[in-house]
Parts: sequence; structure tokens; C-alpha cells
Amino acid sequence: NAGVTQTPKFQVLKTGQSMTLQCAQDMNHNSMYWYRQDPGMGLRLIYYSASEGTTDKGEVPNGYNVSRLNKREFSLRLESAAPSQTSVYFCASRGGGSNQPQHFGDGTRLSIL
Amino acid sequence: SQQGEEDPQALSIQEGENATMNCSYKTSINNLQWYRQNSGRGLVHLILIRSNEREKHSGRLRVTLDTSKKSSSLLITASRAADTASYFCATPQGGSEKLVFGKGTKLTVNP
Repeated sequence: NAGVTQTPKFQVLKTGQSMTLQCAQDMNHNSMYWYRQDPGMGLRLIYYSASEGTTDKGEVPNGYNVSRLNKREFSLRLESAAPSQTSVYFCASRGGGSNQPQHFGDGTRLSIL
Repeated sequence: SQQGEEDPQALSIQEGENATMNCSYKTSINNLQWYRQNSGRGLVHLILIRSNEREKHSGRLRVTLDTSKKSSSLLITASRAADTASYFCATPQGGSEKLVFGKGTKLTVNP
């Protein structure tokens, strides 16, 4: 049982390049999330998907797009990467309502030069 | 916006001692969750306490919740070097899909 799988684990981009971060979960969860984690800032929600076919903005959506490809997969796209988007990106999923915990992947470490 | 704020930001103790971390939040909640993050890894859920609960235990973990003070504490008893990690509290924002995390407490347990 893999849980939440993120690919790639590491990536270096040049400013202006585009990139898609992949996330897949095998727990049949309805809800999926993308966060970024910066030093001293904790986790901040970028986008989330409450169910297949729906997506909504979180706290810091600018510069990102998402696709809920199916129930298992939720991807995050940077169309034109900027140095301010250097961060660690985490995907999470949750089954059930808000009284259920979220399950996290191990992150993608993204550096933009 | 930050909902939960952990205190202290960093804590260093000796193996065998107890570690206490606190979390304060601003708005009413239906639950509060604690997560652990080992270096270079994702967050792992530790314990969820509902708003109608005052205390919850899981192994060496004890969580308390005081809704009148809008605060929670996480106690790790008889700490081990393997407990070295960052600990985050998180609360659902307005009972919605959104989970808002604090900035975390970095715990170091020295052998």
C-alpha cells in the first residue's frame, strides 16, 4: 500500500520553464490537496480538490494550475516558473469528512534558478 | 492566514524527558489535529481531537484541548531520539475542506 506518491522527488528549473508535479493516491480518497512549505512559513494550501472533477483555490494559488485527472491523480502545473516558487511541494489526500486526517506524500523539492 | 500557532518554535531535551508543545488558534473549530514531520519527509498524522473532547491519548502521546482558551497541547512522554522531528497543529478552516497549519515546533531529543 503506497499511500500518496509524488513525482519527481527533486527538480531544478530555469526561470520561465514549465513543469508539472504529479501526485497519485491509492486509498480511494475523494479529497486531494497541494501545499507548499517554505522555511518559517509552515504549510500553505495552493489548491485542493474536494472530489473528482472539482478544484478550488487555496491560500496561495497565483502562478499555479491544477488538474484532477481522475479520482487517483491530482497534478500541479507551473506554467512559467519564478524563483519565488522555489519550495518543497506536498500532495495530500483525505477520505471522509473534516474529522478525518490528511495523508501526505514525501514531497517534491523544486529549485528555480 | 495562519490559524494555529505552535509554541515554542524549537525545543531541545534529553532522552527520557517529557516534551510539551502548545498550539493556539483563533476561530471556533470542530477538531484539531497534530502531525509530525521527520527531516526530508512528508507529514504524518499523529492524533485528532474533536471539539467536544478535552483529552486524548495514543501511546506516549497525550493531547489536550481547551476550547475556552482556544489552545491545545501535545505531550510526548519518555522521549526518544527517534521523536526528533517538527510537530504541527492544524485545524479545519470554518469546518471546510481547508486544513490550516501552524508553523511548527522543532523538537530535538538528545541521546
